[in-house]
Amino acid sequence: QKEVEQNSGPLSVPEGAIASLNCTYSDRGSQSFFWYRQYSGKSPELIMFIYSNGDKEDGRFTAQLNKASQYVSLLIRDSQPSDSATYLCAVNDRGAGSYQLTFGKGTKLSVIP
Amino acid sequence: SQTIHQWPATLVQPVGSPLSLECTVEGTSNPNLYWYRQAAGRGLQLLFYSVGIGQISSEVPQNLSASRPQDRQFILSSKKLLLSDSGFYLCAWSVGGADQPQHFGDGTRLSIL
Repeated sequence: QKEVEQNSGPLSVPEGAIASLNCTYSDRGSQSFFWYRQYSGKSPELIMFIYSNGDKEDGRFTAQLNKASQYVSLLIRDSQPSDSATYLCAVNDRGAGSYQLTFGKGTKLSVIP
Repeated sequence: SQTIHQWPATLVQPVGSPLSLECTVEGTSNPNLYWYRQAAGRGLQLLFYSVGIGQISSEVPQNLSASRPQDRQFILSSKKLLLSDSGFYLCAWSVGGADQPQHFGDGTRLSIL
């Protein structure tokens, strides 16, 4: 049973601070990693994806992957109240050719003005 | 650019009634299509996916079924709804291999009475 674990939060950070969201996964063969943002009552929106160890930056967002530790994180710099949402980590095992993404239950982020 | 349309946005159905949810994608050919369900307090669960017309893979055995009558159309159906079928149903698309990002529609919130 593949598992993706996230701290449910809520994670509260002041406006302008760095928010750090973490995710661990159980399947060592996982190859693709995704971060989605989901506002309350809305559908998930893709924020970042990463395939290789290291950092990947896109604007205020940085995804970090460490396959040896089976750990992926999302950093949000200069956090804004509009970043307040639930962040979902998703993992795909490309090695098995599976189209299934295994999602964590999400971390709720609250950015305090 | 690609867009995904999903309807209806909300639906209230009695137990035992049939269900038909439709999803269409524009702006791309031969997309991979997915149906997910998000129940309260639970993570996103993949129900079905399709890599081509008439090709349906089921991830969770249940009283739901899916069909793909056209390249960019994906339908989720049930002959008799159960109370446990309540949830937020999301259609998603991707292009290319199993490791590519998936993009979600706006979803249908289904309540069973």
